Amino acid sequence: DIQMTQSPSSVSASVGDRVTITCRASQGISTWLAWYQQKPGRAPKLLISGASTLHSGVPSRFSGSGSGTDFTLTISSLQPEDFATYYCQQTNSVPLTFGGGTEVDIK
Amino acid sequence: QLQLQEWGPGLVKPSETLSLTCTVSRDSISSSSYYWDWIRQPPGKGLEWIGSVYFSGSTYYNPSLKSRVTISVDTSKNEFSLRLSSVTAADTAMYYCARRSYSDSNGSFDYWGQGTLVIVSS
Repeated sequence: DIQMTQSPSSVSASVGDRVTITCRASQGISTWLAWYQQKPGRAPKLLISGASTLHSGVPSRFSGSGSGTDFTLTISSLQPEDFATYYCQQTNSVPLTFGGGTEVDIK
Repeated sequence: QLQLQEWGPGLVKPSETLSLTCTVSRDSISSSSYYWDWIRQPPGKGLEWIGSVYFSGSTYYNPSLKSRVTISVDTSKNEFSLRLSSVTAADTAMYYCARRSYSDSNGSFDYWGQGTLVIVSS
């Protein structure tokens, strides 16, 4: 199985801050990586697929980069609605696996 | 816009079988472009992929659950189902159904149901 490791597990930030979350795969997955946002009591929402392709309707302040084993999700200017938990997921091979999540909360 | 809705018992006794169904609306489950998946999330924890089914009936399971999981599809009803046998308290979780698309979203889960909480307790 491909293990996905996210860091940090939590981050405290203020509105307007730039936030970066990293995700590392235990083996190379090219750009077969997705990022999701989950708010309490809600299903996850797709933000980015293919490591860097913004999903329809997702604000441009979200961006993704990376390939192989190391990936990054960046929120360029944190907005109040962005406080949530973020997960990476490899779509390279089954079993599909998720990172442990990064909680972004208010400083 | 595509909608997915999970339904089934919210309470299951230990050692029994958990059964859930996901109804797909506003699109055909028979499209060759998509897989239909189950994902779960224990309270306060992360996401775990359970498995998926293709419209043809082909299935893919997480090895950690494979011995207890069956996922099936009913194209006539536009729905797919999950059965998880011999459940324990560790199977208590929010269960989500989702669409996985390689044509639209690089193999990501682009549509999700709202989730249904299943509690395993006597």
